[in-house]
Amino acid sequence: DAKTTQPTSMDCAEGRAANLPCNHSTISGNEYVYWYRQIHSQGPQYIIHGLKNNETNEMASLIITEDRKSSTLILPHATLRDTAVYYCIVRVVPDSGNTPLVFGKGTRLSVIA
Amino acid sequence: DTGVSQDPRHKITKRGQNVTFRCDPISEHNRLYWYRQTLGQGPEFLTYFQNEAQLEKSRLLSDRFSAERPKGSFSTLEIQRTEQGDSAMYLCASSLGQGATNEKLFFGSGTQLSVL
Repeated sequence: DAKTTQPTSMDCAEGRAANLPCNHSTISGNEYVYWYRQIHSQGPQYIIHGLKNNETNEMASLIITEDRKSSTLILPHATLRDTAVYYCIVRVVPDSGNTPLVFGKGTRLSVIA
Repeated sequence: DTGVSQDPRHKITKRGQNVTFRCDPISEHNRLYWYRQTLGQGPEFLTYFQNEAQLEKSRLLSDRFSAERPKGSFSTLEIQRTEQGDSAMYLCASSLGQGATNEKLFFGSGTQLSVL
């Protein structure tokens, strides 16, 4: 699976949009981009995933650049409960078998009141 | 609550003792994963099951570690002769199965192991 690069930490004011970048310049055509987050003392939580189109769900939006070498996770109105470590993961989803999620160190997002 | 439960939440043991953790996945999920996480690091993959079959093991999973998933339902992870380096959070996750959407993992809250 392709390697990802994320900033170590970011701050965001409560109520503002949090934009979390992820670089995956070696991504290949069949690799998906997944985002998970981990709130303190809990297991990781799935947020969103995409292949090449932008995606939106009730938690966040995922913007993938046209060349797919980077993406941005957007939390439109960050709250204090969004304070967490956010992981960007690139992964092949095979037709059969499995490729486990490989987590990096992620970005520690602090939402400030 | 994700629907994946792990027991116990915390375990303190002395070096050399054996410990066993249990994971109950979401009932209709075919796949079950074990991860380990140490402070400041992301979770590291240990092993996964498709129903009752253990299909992949990381080289992190030494001979002292064994995992089972009898009948394809709950799973246990046993660590024999624990060492201080085994101190970590052990996370269990489950997923529905094949495909990018079905492969969304649902994690439990983990078992925090401290080896004294």
